[in-house]
Formats: sequence, C-alpha cells, structure tokens
Amino acid sequence: NAGVTQTPKFQVLKTGQSMTLQCAQDMNHEYMSWYRQDPGMGLRLIHYSVGAGITDQGEVPNGYNVSRSTTEDFPLRLLSAAPSQTSVYFCASSSPGRPKETQYFGPGTRLLVL
Amino acid sequence: RKEVEQDPGPFNVPEGATVAFNCTYSNSASQSFFWYRQDCRKEPKLLMSVYSSGNEDGRFTAQLNRASQYISLLIRDSKLSDSATYLCVVTPNTNAGKSTFGDGTTLTVKP
Repeated sequence: NAGVTQTPKFQVLKTGQSMTLQCAQDMNHEYMSWYRQDPGMGLRLIHYSVGAGITDQGEVPNGYNVSRSTTEDFPLRLLSAAPSQTSVYFCASSSPGRPKETQYFGPGTRLLVL
Repeated sequence: RKEVEQDPGPFNVPEGATVAFNCTYSNSASQSFFWYRQDCRKEPKLLMSVYSSGNEDGRFTAQLNRASQYISLLIRDSKLSDSATYLCVVTPNTNAGKSTFGDGTTLTVKP
C-alpha cells in the first residue's frame, strides 16, 4: 500500500494563479481531509469529506474548493492564489466505525505564493 | 480562546529525563483524543490514542481528565530520537476527519 500520496511536493505560484493539489489514498478510507500548517502552528482544517460525493467546510475554507468523485481521490483547488495561502498542505484519510480512528497523513505539499 | 491549547514549549531536556506535556480543550462534547508526533517538515503520525482510564505504551503514558478537559503525555527516560513536536488532537465525535489540532509542543532531547 502506498498509503496517502500528495502531488506536487513543492509549488511556487504567482498571486492570482489557480492550481489543484492532488491527494489519493489506497486504503479504502471513507473520510478524507485537507489541512494547512503555517510556521509554528498546528494544523487547521480546510475541508473534509465523509464519502464520495459528500464534502463540508472546516475551519478555514475560504479561497479553496474541493470535490470527491471517488473514494480514492480528494483534490484541493486554489481558485485565485494569495500570499496568505503560503503554507504546507497536508491531506489525511481515516476510516469510521472504530472507537478510535487513526488519521493517516500524506507527505505534504509546500506552497509558496508570490 | 483556542479550542485546543498546549504548553508552548520548547522543552529542552537531557537524555534520560522525564518530561510531561499538557493540553486543554474547550469543547465538552469532544469524544476522541490523540497525541501525534511530527518531525521537522514531515507529516504528523499517530503516537497514541488517549483513553479515560489512561494508557501506557512503553515509555509513553497518556492521561485524560474529562471533568477538567485536560490531556497529558508523559515521556520517561527520554531518548535523542524523541526530539520532535508533539500535537494534541481532539475530535468532537467519531469523525476523525473533523479533528482539531493544538499548535504543538517542541521537545529537544540533548546528549
């Protein structure tokens, strides 16, 4: 199993550009989430999904869009990049139905917006 | 007030020391609690879940006090390899996808 994979690893954008961060998992997990982590801070939830076709907003959703057409993939779209979106983005997946679910994280995408 | 608050640290300890991290949470409806470890510029990884009865995994002990809304992590006999940032994580229900993370406490273990 590859677990959770994210592409690209690094990206530099200019203000106003759009892009899609890719996330895929091969563990058949129903739940998937996107987080951002700014320097010296914990992870903040952007969007999450409890299954294909179902998404919801997290703590910091503005400027981001998601869709979940398959169980495996959960792409994150930046609509019009801003310097405030410079961050490290982590995708995670987990499985419901157990009392103590574990989230498995991808290696992250480091994004710099100029 | 943040939903999950941790000791800001950093903690600098010698090898072999015992160190404790604290975490408080504000949502009394929280149901699941975890400690994650994050190495520099890497993804977080689960260290241990936290149960009401307390639980131990080798040199690591986690405690939960629901009445005080308080979670702790104790590391005994610190190793150089324990140097990392420790993240307190709280989930409001069984949906781990909606977890709230603390800002983390950084531990450096020195020879």
